[in-house]
Amino acid sequence: GAGVSQSPSNKVTEKGKDVELRCDPISGHTALYWYRQSLGQGLEFLIYFQGNSAPDKSGLPSDRFSAERTGGSVSTLTIQRTQQEDSAVYLCASSNPGQGSPYEQYFGPGTRLTVT
Amino acid sequence: RKEVEQDPGPFNVPEGATVAFNCTYSNSASQSFFWYRQDCRKEPKLLMSVYSSGNEDGRFTAQLNRASQYISLLIRDSKLSDSATYLCVVSRGSNYQLIWGAGTKLIIKP
Repeated sequence: GAGVSQSPSNKVTEKGKDVELRCDPISGHTALYWYRQSLGQGLEFLIYFQGNSAPDKSGLPSDRFSAERTGGSVSTLTIQRTQQEDSAVYLCASSNPGQGSPYEQYFGPGTRLTVT
Repeated sequence: RKEVEQDPGPFNVPEGATVAFNCTYSNSASQSFFWYRQDCRKEPKLLMSVYSSGNEDGRFTAQLNRASQYISLLIRDSKLSDSATYLCVVSRGSNYQLIWGAGTKLIIKP
C-alpha cells in the first residue's frame, strides 16, 4: 500500500515568508508526528496527533510554528515569518497504535526547507 | 543530559568484522525500545525492536539492560550495505511518542 507522502520535497523560501508543509499519512493510521532534522543532527520532535485527542505541541520551538490535522488524516505544518535557523528537513511519520506494532513509525521522505 | 545518548561515531569498520554500539536512556518509565536505521539523506526505518531477553534478526543482535538503562546493537559479518546511521529509540512511557537518540554513524570499508 501507499506509504507516507510529503510535499513539497524541497522548498526554498526567503526569510520572513510563511511556508506550509503537507503530510499524507498511511491510510488508517491514527497517530501522526512531525519532526525536524538539521544536517548531521538527530530528530527533534515537534508535534504529535493521536485520533481526536488534543495534539501534543510541546516540541514546537516557537509560536511561529503551528500544525493542524484535518479529518484525522492529512496534516499541515505552517511556519510563519521563516528564519534561517528554520532550515532543516521536516519529517512526518504515522503509526497505528491500535494494532500490530503500535510504536513503529513510518516516515515520509521529508521536506527539505531552505530559508535564504 | 539528553534523554537518549549515543556515541555519534563514526565507527569505521572493515567489511566482515563485528561491531557493537550502545546507547543509554534516562527515562525509567520507558517500556519499549528500538533500533532504527537511517541512510544518508533518507528517512529513518525500523531495524528491529529490542526485547528484555535480547533478540536476534539475522546478523543483528539487540540487548536490553533495564537495570543499567542501556541498549546495545551487535552487527556480525558486516556488509558494505550496513553503512548508515543507527538510531536508538525508546518509548516515552505515557503515550506512543518515541524519544530519539542522535544516532551512531557506521561506515563499513571494503
